[in-house]
Amino acid sequence: QVQLVQSGAEVKKPGASVKVSCKASGYSFTSHSMHWVRQAPGQSLEWMGWIAAGNDDTYYPQKFQDRVTITKDTSASTAYMELASLTSEDTAVYYCARETKFCIGGTCRYYPEYWGQGTLVTVSS
Amino acid sequence: EIVLTQSPATLSLSPGERATLSCRASQSVNSYLAWYQQKPGQAPRLLIYDASNRATGIPARFSGSGSGTDFTLTISSLEPEDFAVYYCQQRSNWPETFGQGTKVEIK
Repeated sequence: QVQLVQSGAEVKKPGASVKVSCKASGYSFTSHSMHWVRQAPGQSLEWMGWIAAGNDDTYYPQKFQDRVTITKDTSASTAYMELASLTSEDTAVYYCARETKFCIGGTCRYYPEYWGQGTLVTVSS
Repeated sequence: EIVLTQSPATLSLSPGERATLSCRASQSVNSYLAWYQQKPGQAPRLLIYDASNRATGIPARFSGSGSGTDFTLTISSLEPEDFAVYYCQQRSNWPETFGQGTKVEIK
């Protein structure tokens, strides 16, 4: 079965960086793209970016473009999200989410279906 | 960036009742919209994709409708496990965006 297991909780000081890992199992890692989404305490979900399945193409929203880097290690079936220059506003649970391809009547679209358990990142001085 | 506005913010209902949740987009997303359920301390769970298609293993009491800018998630008869927060998400334009959520609570 598909499993995404994320690294453990982190406590960081303002200005530091954090790198969260997401180890995948139960499927071909190179066949599905991966998203990263975060959720601040009591808030909605916020999309942080995406890394393509078959190559290293990435896309980041403008809000995070200067601070976030999403990578993957195919040999380890692991995706990573690194966020730099942390502030207290980055305190959140960070999720990885694997895309699934859904096809209906010849049209195929992709949606994040499988999610990791989440990693709490706390930024505090 | 496309803004998704969900209403109501909170829905207070009893088990067995029908729940109707709304998601309105600031511009057309065609049918490239998903619905997720999230319970406290858990990751989101994909319920509906492409506005109206149930994801794998999702019970038939969940249904989605709409296209363009107006979308609805309906839970035909609430089960105890359905009390949770529901989010819509658009994948039509980057950046992908989520609504602010609707909490379905027990009345």
